[in-house]
Amino acid sequence: DAGVTQSPTHLIKTRGQQVTLRCSPKSGHDTVSWYQQALGQGPQFIFQYYEEEERQRGNFPDRFSGHQFPNYSSELNVNALLLGDSALYLCASSWHSSSYNEQFFGPGTRLTVL
Amino acid sequence: GESVGLHLPTLSVQEGDNSIINCAYSNSASDYFIWYKQESGKGPQFIIDIRSNMDKRQGQRVTVLLNKTVKHLSLQIAATQPGDSAVYFCAERYDFNKFYFGSGTKLNVKP
Repeated sequence: DAGVTQSPTHLIKTRGQQVTLRCSPKSGHDTVSWYQQALGQGPQFIFQYYEEEERQRGNFPDRFSGHQFPNYSSELNVNALLLGDSALYLCASSWHSSSYNEQFFGPGTRLTVL
Repeated sequence: GESVGLHLPTLSVQEGDNSIINCAYSNSASDYFIWYKQESGKGPQFIIDIRSNMDKRQGQRVTVLLNKTVKHLSLQIAATQPGDSAVYFCAERYDFNKFYFGSGTKLNVKP
């Protein structure tokens, strides 16, 4: 049973560029959440997708957008990259129908903005 | 949103001893809590969870205690092993499926 997978593992971009990160949820899960984790800090919630729609959003600007596909996989897009966007981007999946649904995380994508 | 905080940023224990990692949460509406372990360069790994209608839950070598009166959560690790060295986060669910994390506690296990 494959867990949550993310690609790429590492990415280096320059300021002003755009980036797309990808996530495949754990088998049987239909909900994907994205988090940003700065060095030495806990993950911060960006947004969550279910049924191909954004359901919840954290305190992140519109430069951060996403998408969910019919197979439940998801993309995170960040436009006009800033130095401060350098972080580990984590994807977590869960099963929407469960009231107390465990979230399982992928290994993350390390984004460096130069 | 309100934040989850931890009392101790770093905890050092001797191998074989029991470890206790504490977490204070401020949102009384939080209904679900998860403890995660994160090793360097990896994503958070689910350890154990607890619902707000419970005060204790046990897993393999781990126990989570929830005290809603003082909004306090703890993770107890029995017979701590070198492989337990990592950063531990507690996460609280305030909105449905939306989790808030604290800054973490680093656990160092000395051989």
